[in-house]
Amino acid sequence: QKEVEQDPGPLSVPEGAIVSLNCTYSNSAFQYFMWYRQYSRKGPELLMYTYSSGNKEDGRFTAQVDKSSKYISLFIRDSQPSDSATYLCAMSAWQAGTALIFGKGTTLSVSS
Amino acid sequence: EAGVAQSPRYKIIEKRQSVAFWCNPISGHATLYWYQQILGQGPKLLIQFQNNGVVDDSQLPKDRFSAERLKGVDSTLKIQPAKLEDSAVYLCASSLGTGLGEQYFGPGTRLTVT
Repeated sequence: QKEVEQDPGPLSVPEGAIVSLNCTYSNSAFQYFMWYRQYSRKGPELLMYTYSSGNKEDGRFTAQVDKSSKYISLFIRDSQPSDSATYLCAMSAWQAGTALIFGKGTTLSVSS
Repeated sequence: EAGVAQSPRYKIIEKRQSVAFWCNPISGHATLYWYQQILGQGPKLLIQFQNNGVVDDSQLPKDRFSAERLKGVDSTLKIQPAKLEDSAVYLCASSLGTGLGEQYFGPGTRLTVT
């Protein structure tokens, strides 16, 4: 079993839809959870950063962490064509220098 | 603020040849990372530097890959000799401190080994 599982999609939605992206993980030591967005031929950029369980909202984006189920989600409200990208979840157990473990990424396409 | 710079952006080599990638992190960032991203996969950490010291190189194939960070600023990643399975995007990232701070990624170098 991989440490982080993420459905690669692709996921296609119409403009304005609510998008739900998910990852599951197996390592109960993970405490820091992140979502990165990666446009084609670009490096990943950090979207959301959550510590432990709970929700975090930033504009149209909401990140949820359920440590009891080892499940994290990213919701995108009112999706736009500019949201079309690959979304990578990443997580880490906090220790100085601990590496981020990335999921495979989910490719999202939002059509106008 | 200038971002993480990488060169070259693209490289095509034959197997058994050698290749080197260069990274210039964001000014003042103490931590530098090299990741390998194979098509359809998430980035995998190869090596992490704290200033010019190695923090983690547990996933670096040391028989063929080497990396250095001179003077705690720029870094080079070398592959010698290259194999077909090394075809990937090599991403450099940097972060300000020693903790789990935000990592800023460069655009990557796309390597094709034929």
